Amino acid sequence: GNSVTQMEGPVTLSEEAFLTINCTYTATGYPSLFWYVQYPGEGLQLLLKATKADDKGSNKGFEATYRKETTSFHLEKGSVQVSDSAVYFCALSERNNDMRFGAGTRLTVKP
Amino acid sequence: EADIYQTPRYLVIGTGKKITLECSQTMGHDKMYWYQQDPGMELHLIHYSYGVNSTEKGDLSSESTVSRIRTEHFPLTLESARPSHTSQYLCASKLGWNSPLHFGNGTRLTVT
Repeated sequence: GNSVTQMEGPVTLSEEAFLTINCTYTATGYPSLFWYVQYPGEGLQLLLKATKADDKGSNKGFEATYRKETTSFHLEKGSVQVSDSAVYFCALSERNNDMRFGAGTRLTVKP
Repeated sequence: EADIYQTPRYLVIGTGKKITLECSQTMGHDKMYWYQQDPGMELHLIHYSYGVNSTEKGDLSSESTVSRIRTEHFPLTLESARPSHTSQYLCASKLGWNSPLHFGNGTRLTVT
């Protein structure tokens, strides 16, 4: 069945550092891929998505590229801010196989 | 601004009580979901619905039940709460299979 594996945390970075959170997936078909972010005390919200191979999703300085050959969708940001501190979830969804989430990666950015 | 609403935000109740967690969405989405989120952050799907009068159990066995009498409303009920039910419960909805999920802000339940 479908599954998502993402980098274990927690991740602690200094402000303006480069961020990578790895995400790989297994799927039976051609899934859509998502990154969600969860700030303290809130539900998850969509950060970015990509629906086909080689698509790049981007939002708020974050980017992720759908790599079918490596079954990956790594999240990157060139310069993190304290306000980026949150939990990040990688997820996939495809027809007849509904949304699957990774275990979440907690990011803390220190000033 | 949230288009999916959960109430209450926080609930502390005693063992054996019956409770209903409310979830409503104003987007007309057919697909709705309940997730249980443990302190380690991982999300566990406990119930889902693909439309009115359609409900299914998710991956995680749960003693809760759900109903879907109206498109916009997907309440979750615990007939007899136990301390093991202490958790955060997140409701979500989406339009199509490749659409993103829209989440409510969650209900944090504590059973004493």
